[in-house]
Amino acid sequence: EIVLTQSPATLSLSPGERATLSCRASQSVSSFLAWYQQKPGQAPRLLIYDAFKRAAGIPPRFSGSGSGTDFTLTISSLEPEDFAVYHCQQRGNLYTFGQGTKVEI
Amino acid sequence: QLQLQESGPGLVKPPETLSLTCTVSGGSITSTTQFWGWIRQPPGKGLEWIGSIYYSGRIYHNPSLKSRVTISVDTSKNQLFLNLTSVTAADTAVYFCASHDHDYGGNFGFWGQGTLVTVSS
Repeated sequence: EIVLTQSPATLSLSPGERATLSCRASQSVSSFLAWYQQKPGQAPRLLIYDAFKRAAGIPPRFSGSGSGTDFTLTISSLEPEDFAVYHCQQRGNLYTFGQGTKVEI
Repeated sequence: QLQLQESGPGLVKPPETLSLTCTVSGGSITSTTQFWGWIRQPPGKGLEWIGSIYYSGRIYHNPSLKSRVTISVDTSKNQLFLNLTSVTAADTAVYFCASHDHDYGGNFGFWGQGTLVTVSS
């Protein structure tokens, strides 16, 4: 099983600041890494797939990078609606999720 | 727009079987551009993939749950099903159904709202 480790667990920032979230895989997943945003009481929403491709309707302030075992989600300038939990997920070998990073004000 | 809606009992007694239905609308469950999966999230915890069924009929399971999970579809009703046997309190979670979309590299593009299932006697 491929284990995904996200860091930090919590990120405390202010609107307008840059957020950098990390996801590390226990073995290479090539570029098969996705990011989701989840707000309380809601289902996750796909933001980024295949490491850097934005899903439809996702604003350009969200960007993804990385390959192999190390990946990054960057939110260039936090908007109030961006405070949420972010999950990474791999499809290099079946599917697994990271434990999530909470971005809080 | 594809929509998914989970349904089923909110309370299951151990060691009974958890049974959920996902009704798909706005698209066909036999589509070759999507396949279908189940994911769960224990309260306050992260997401766990349970399993997925491809349009070929092939099914993939999370190895940690494989012996207890059955996933199936009813194409006439456009529905997806999950059965999880021998449940314990550890199976208490919000259960989501989701589509894997080829447009999104096979990742989970559309999700149901989720349904909370509590396992308790």
